[in-house]
Amino acid sequence: NAGVTQTPKFRILKIGQSMTLQCTQDMNHNYMYWYRQDPGMGLKLIYYSVGAGITDKGEVPNGYNVSRSTTEDFPLRLELAAPSQTSVYFCASSNLGYTFGSGTRLTVV
Amino acid sequence: AQSVTQPDIHITVSEGASLELRCNYSYGATPYLFWYVQSPGQGLQLLLKYFSGDTLVQGIKGFEAEFKRSQSSFNLRKPSVHWSDAAEYFCAVDLTNAGKSTFGDGTTLTVKP
Repeated sequence: NAGVTQTPKFRILKIGQSMTLQCTQDMNHNYMYWYRQDPGMGLKLIYYSVGAGITDKGEVPNGYNVSRSTTEDFPLRLELAAPSQTSVYFCASSNLGYTFGSGTRLTVV
Repeated sequence: AQSVTQPDIHITVSEGASLELRCNYSYGATPYLFWYVQSPGQGLQLLLKYFSGDTLVQGIKGFEAEFKRSQSSFNLRKPSVHWSDAAEYFCAVDLTNAGKSTFGDGTTLTVKP
C-alpha cells in the first residue's frame, strides 16, 4: 500500500522556470492538500481539493496552480519560479486524519 | 477561524523521562483532534486522533493524549521517552469534520542521553 507518493524528491530550478510537482494517492481519499514548510516553520496550506474537479485556495496560493482531474492525482504547478518558493512541499490526503507524502525539496536559484 | 496553539516551541527531556506536549484550540465546539510527528527529513505521520468518547486516546509508538473540554486542550504524553522520539510534533484540529485541519506551529523535542 503506497499511500501518498510525491515526485520528484529533490529539484533545483532557475528563476523564471516552471515545473509540476506530482502527487498521487491510492487510498481513494476525496480530500487532498498541498503544503509548504519553510525551515524551522510549520505548515502553510497552498491549495486543497475536496474531490475530483474541485479545488480551492489555501493561505499562500500566489505563484501556484493546481488541478484535480482524478481522485488519485493532485499536481501542483509553479509557473514562474522565484527564490521565495524555495521550500519543502508536502502533499497529503485525508480521511479522518492526514496521510502525508515524503516531500519535495525545491530550491530556486 | 479555528486556531491551534502549541505554547512550547522547543522542549528538551532526558531519555527515560516523561513527556507532555501542550496543545490548545480556540473554539466553542469540540473539534476532531490529531497529533502528528515529523522526523528530520520526513513527512508527517499520524500519531493519534480523537473524535468522541473516551477522552484518553492511545496512539502509536507508546504515545497517548487526553482531551479536556474545560481547558480546550489535547496534550500529548509519553511515560518514558526514547532517543528516537526526537522530532517535531504537530497538533491539528478539524472543527467541522470538513476534512481540512488547521495545524499548530509545532514543538521540537530534543532528547538528552
